[in-house]
Amino acid sequence: KNQVEQSPQSLIILEGKNCTLQCNYTVSPFSNLRWYKQDTGRGPVSLTIMTFSENTKSNGRYTATLDADTKQSSLHITASQLSDSASYICVAYGGATNKLIFGTGTLLAVQP
Amino acid sequence: DAGITQSPRYKITETGRQVTLMCHQTWSHSYMFWYRQDLGHGLRLIYYSAAADITDKGEVPDGYVVSRSKTENFPLTLESATRSQTSVYFCASSKQDFSYNEQFFGPGTRLTVL
Repeated sequence: KNQVEQSPQSLIILEGKNCTLQCNYTVSPFSNLRWYKQDTGRGPVSLTIMTFSENTKSNGRYTATLDADTKQSSLHITASQLSDSASYICVAYGGATNKLIFGTGTLLAVQP
Repeated sequence: DAGITQSPRYKITETGRQVTLMCHQTWSHSYMFWYRQDLGHGLRLIYYSAAADITDKGEVPDGYVVSRSKTENFPLTLESATRSQTSVYFCASSKQDFSYNEQFFGPGTRLTVL
């Protein structure tokens, strides 16, 4: 079954600290992996898209990594800010019918 | 540049009533999508459209109807609303070939069915 699992479900960190969010996927064949940020009460916003041949991609303080061999991805947030408080959603594209498969997200709270 | 908009943003209705959620995008994107988001579930695809007059079912299409007579509009209709359709609904759009291009999401419509 094609699915995406994210961990942890929720996370609280202090402003200025770094954190890493995890994503494991079982999608075959695999094409690409996306990370979205969703602020409370808003729609998701794309952070990165990585194909199976890309290992790392950055977007400002956000750095995503991808290991297609172990089917794992991570999103690293550097020097967190209060505005980073949001849900982060991992999405894999692929499968026999070429679909976007969404994880349930990691809820991040950055406290002052 | 309005981007992608949804209306209404909030809607309360009663079981059995017909409800239409509107979605409008100003980018002339080929693809448009409707998702629902519920606690404990990832975003689930209801319907999508590759172009005007071309629509296809997603993962959870039952109880929903869509149409796309114009490229920029993609309304979603709940023909006879049920409590299980209480959810947050997101419309999204993408350029041709969304397999690699990012999706742009609207702000969402929070629907409550009493």
